[in-house]
Amino acid sequence: QVQLVQSGAEVKKPGASVKVSCKASGYTFTSYGISWVRQAPGQGLEWMGWISAYNGNTNYAQKLQGRVTMTTDTSTSTAYMELRSLRSDDTAVYYCAKGYYDSSGRDAFDIWGQGTMVTVSS
Amino acid sequence: DIQMTQSPSSLSASVGDRVTITCRASQGISNSLAWYQQKPGKAPKLLLYAASRLESGVPSRFSGSGSGTDYTLTISSLQPEDFATYYCQQYYSTPPKLTFGGGTKVEIK
Repeated sequence: QVQLVQSGAEVKKPGASVKVSCKASGYTFTSYGISWVRQAPGQGLEWMGWISAYNGNTNYAQKLQGRVTMTTDTSTSTAYMELRSLRSDDTAVYYCAKGYYDSSGRDAFDIWGQGTMVTVSS
Repeated sequence: DIQMTQSPSSLSASVGDRVTITCRASQGISNSLAWYQQKPGKAPKLLLYAASRLESGVPSRFSGSGSGTDYTLTISSLQPEDFATYYCQQYYSTPPKLTFGGGTKVEIK
């Protein structure tokens, strides 16, 4: 079946970096985009950015520009999200989500990963 | 960026009630709107896309409507499994700058 499986929970110190993986299966990886969405404890959903698995094009949320990088490895159907210079307010569950229509990024999300908890604490 | 204003932020309802949640975009989004349901500790689940198209497997008591800047999610007869938080999301922007509404928590009355 179509699924996204994410890497496990992380605990990081302020100023460090984290890289979360998202392995896709059950569909043609390069035909769709992957977005990353995070959710701070008790808060709503925040879109972080998108990567086209077709050509690697990206677009990031303004507030994360310069700190976030999204990449894909088409040989393993895996997407990655790296966030640098971590702060306490980056503590959140991080989700990857598959685009519904295509790789354009202008999409609803039909499949979500299980989420990865990232805790930033000294 | 397009802002999405969702209301109410929470509501209390009984099983069998008709529930309506609204989402207003800061500019027209041409029906490029999705609705999600999220239960505690779980990833969001897609309910509707393109404002009114029901995702496969989603019960028909869920429906969506709207145009331009104003959109509505309706649950025709609330069931026990529907108590959750609901989010709208626009996907109109080019290049993609997607945004979510603030969420509506549907609680048991």
